[in-house]
Amino acid sequence: DAKTTQPPSMDCAEGRAANLPCNHSTISGNEYVYWYRQIHSQGPQYIIHGLKNNETNEMASLIITEDRKSSTLILPHATLRDTAVYYCIVTNSGGSNYKLTFGKGTLLTVNP
Amino acid sequence: DTGVSQNPRHKITKRGQNVTFRCDPISEHNRLYWYRQTLGQGPEFLTYFQNEAQLEKSRLLSDRFSAERPKGSFSTLEIQRTEQGDSAMYLCASSLSNQPQHFGDGTRLSIL
Repeated sequence: DAKTTQPPSMDCAEGRAANLPCNHSTISGNEYVYWYRQIHSQGPQYIIHGLKNNETNEMASLIITEDRKSSTLILPHATLRDTAVYYCIVTNSGGSNYKLTFGKGTLLTVNP
Repeated sequence: DTGVSQNPRHKITKRGQNVTFRCDPISEHNRLYWYRQTLGQGPEFLTYFQNEAQLEKSRLLSDRFSAERPKGSFSTLEIQRTEQGDSAMYLCASSLSNQPQHFGDGTRLSIL
């Protein structure tokens, strides 16, 4: 699986959009970009994933660059409960998506 | 949706003792995964089941570790002769084939 690079920490004001970047320059054509987050003392929570097109769900939006070498997770209106470690993971999702390789992620702190 | 359930939530034991953790996946999820997470790190893949078959084991899973999923539903992870280095959060996840993994809140193991 391709490696990812994320900033170790970011701050965001409550009510503002949080934009979390991820670099995955070695991504291959059949690899998906997944985002999970982990709130303290809980298990990781699935947020969103995509292959090449931008994706949106009730939690967030995922913007993938045209060359697929980077992506941005957008939380449109961050709340204090969004404070968590956010993991960007690249994995082959077709049939053999049996393991996720987590890095250290980005600690997002949402401030009042 | 009852989610992935893990028991116990916390386990404290003396070095050299055996421990067993249980994971109940989301109903009808055919895939089940075990991960381990140490302080400040992202989760690390340990092993994976498709139905009752254990299809992949990480090098992290030493001979003292054994996992089972006898009827393709719940799973157990046993650690024999525990060591200080086994102290960690043990996470279970489940999924349908080619769908995102959903995690439980883990079992925190502390070795005295």
